[in-house]
Amino acid sequence: QQPVQSPQAVILREGEDAVINCSSSKALYSVHWYRQKHGEAPVFLMILLKGGEQKGHDKISASFNEKKQQSSLYLTASQLSYSGTYFCGTEGSDNYGQNFVFGPGTRLSVLP
Amino acid sequence: EAQVTQNPRYLITVTGKKLTVTCSQNMNHEYMSWYRQDPGLGLRQIYYSMNVEVTDKGDVPEGYKVSRKEKRNFPLILESPSPNQTSLYFCASSKRGTKVFGPGTRLTVL
Repeated sequence: QQPVQSPQAVILREGEDAVINCSSSKALYSVHWYRQKHGEAPVFLMILLKGGEQKGHDKISASFNEKKQQSSLYLTASQLSYSGTYFCGTEGSDNYGQNFVFGPGTRLSVLP
Repeated sequence: EAQVTQNPRYLITVTGKKLTVTCSQNMNHEYMSWYRQDPGLGLRQIYYSMNVEVTDKGDVPEGYKVSRKEKRNFPLILESPSPNQTSLYFCASSKRGTKVFGPGTRLTVL
């Protein structure tokens, strides 16, 4: 079952912050985040495993609330290079390693 | 360089003409998968393979076939393409977690 992402789209000015949410109706083993720029393949950002850990690199971080089956991606002091579509992907705890499902995506536009 | 390659990158064909999109990875990954991407629908999994000779259906398998005879290759076969299979296709390979995507194949079926 496809996870739900919100918002569908967001427009920011350079330097502003953004949060993208991902939620699932099923128990999750992991949540993955990818970014896809226009005309390119998706690129891996980070993976969060059950346990509620928070991860991050540079000014992009994410959290995973296993009990609520939700994850959030935080983009701090956004840069022009952050523009693209962000996808979360979920892996259910009931089918370990199988049938990974992506969300519909959130389009992020960062303006100068 | 660690990568996933797909061929062809662009293909225009006609309804009913069998075609194969090749996918190859050089990272010795066990897990490979195929996705199609359509506007507003995100990336939907067509088929996946957890190892050689082990394949299974994803969310949208109708009209597609795959095979995994070697670890590095995972071709996608459309036996009788139809216009509703016009889409952008991505192959991906992964070890546990990080997926590496190929550059994509844009297919148009007339």
